[in-house]
Amino acid sequence: SQQGEEDPQALSIQEGENATMNCSYKTSINNLQWYRQNSGRGLVHLILIRSNEREKHSGRLRVTLDTSKKSSSLLITASRAADTASYFCAPPPRDGGYQKVTFGTGTKLQVIP
Amino acid sequence: EAQVTQNPRYLITVTGKKLTVTCSQNMNHEYMSWYRQDPGLGLRQIYYSMNVEVTDKGDVPEGYKVSRKEKRNFPLILESPSPNQTSLYFCASSSGQVDRQNIQYFGAGTRLSVL
Repeated sequence: SQQGEEDPQALSIQEGENATMNCSYKTSINNLQWYRQNSGRGLVHLILIRSNEREKHSGRLRVTLDTSKKSSSLLITASRAADTASYFCAPPPRDGGYQKVTFGTGTKLQVIP
Repeated sequence: EAQVTQNPRYLITVTGKKLTVTCSQNMNHEYMSWYRQDPGLGLRQIYYSMNVEVTDKGDVPEGYKVSRKEKRNFPLILESPSPNQTSLYFCASSSGQVDRQNIQYFGAGTRLSVL
């Protein structure tokens, strides 16, 4: 299975600041996805970036992808207290078996009001 | 409303007492998975299914069974639960090969305690 590894493990910022978290993976992908998990709840899909895209925006979210470095970053701009959650990346492997995705430990973001 | 429904949400049981956690999706998805989430270990895949009657092991299948007799349902069975199976469990479904995006939709989770 392919696991995304998020970094940092934890991040604490003030409301209004930007939050950046990173993801690394090992094998080639068709796309990479980011998910959010509010405490103890199911993961919710945030954004998908395809392997032929370098950057994608959705509201206050900006995702970049560098396939040569096998890495991605998620930027949340003008953070709000409601953004407090854990964030996970999911890099389904290209060579089939893309159902075998294991999520890492995530980045735990705390936004202080 | 598109959703993945898990039941029960909370379960306390004793070692060795067989239990089943149900999972149902209403999106006609081909792919379904079970994960467990433990502190410091992330979400680990237990089993997945690519279609009716097609299942395969994930990373941590020991002590678990699954079945996929209907497309919408994917129950997780613990034949003889042990305390090390105390965890937070999630079911997920995705359209998989249809659009090759494999966006996963998660249930709300089942918190299991095995005493």
